[in-house]
Amino acid sequence: QSVLTQPPSVSEAPRQRVTISCSGSSSNIGNNAVNWYQQLPGKAPKLLIYYDDLLPSGVSDRFSGSKSGTSASLAISGLQSEDEADYYCAAWDDSLNVRVFGGGTKLTVL
Amino acid sequence: QVQLQESGPGLVKPSQTLSLTCTVSGGSISSGGYYWSWIRQHPGKGLEWIGYIYYSGSTYYNPSLKSRVTISVDTSKNQFSLKLSSVTAADTAVYYCARERGGTGATLFVDIWGQGTMVTVSS
Repeated sequence: QSVLTQPPSVSEAPRQRVTISCSGSSSNIGNNAVNWYQQLPGKAPKLLIYYDDLLPSGVSDRFSGSKSGTSASLAISGLQSEDEADYYCAAWDDSLNVRVFGGGTKLTVL
Repeated sequence: QVQLQESGPGLVKPSQTLSLTCTVSGGSISSGGYYWSWIRQHPGKGLEWIGYIYYSGSTYYNPSLKSRVTISVDTSKNQFSLKLSSVTAADTAVYYCARERGGTGATLFVDIWGQGTMVTVSS
């Protein structure tokens, strides 16, 4: 059971928009920044979003992040088949004193 | 650009010590401003953060693994290493080395990952 809760899977058609949620508590998302990672099949994770809503250099602006209270979201617009991957949220937890990850969400582009 | 590469045995016997090394290329560990970490992923599962080290040798470990983990750095070789003692089958996972930036502690985030190395614990 992960400290941060994500839906196990989401699916959407090409060119559409999808959002992936990440639910936590006041000791993690509510008080610390959220980061998002994309893990393509058989590959290492890649940083997508940091500090809730910032895009690293080289990451497509089709990706965006937001946060409200103890929940965060990753949005992907203009879906492409290459976006099929697992997506993970992460944040520091002040109670556990450790970085925690969500359980991951598998995105399927129909 | 900075790249990280893990190396070490892919098979470890139960009760023994798992040892992995991460070689950093394209940048110096000693340049400061970054923390160097280990993260693992159990087969078909999510990610678990193990701990990090600063080039000065300062470390922080996941409390749940702290009694078994040692992370060290060799700035002369631009490498850092992970030792996990008394392993069991539950330690079977893909182990990633990574770079973290963004201040200290809670504000850090992983921005670069190694490709990962599978370690199986079995007799």
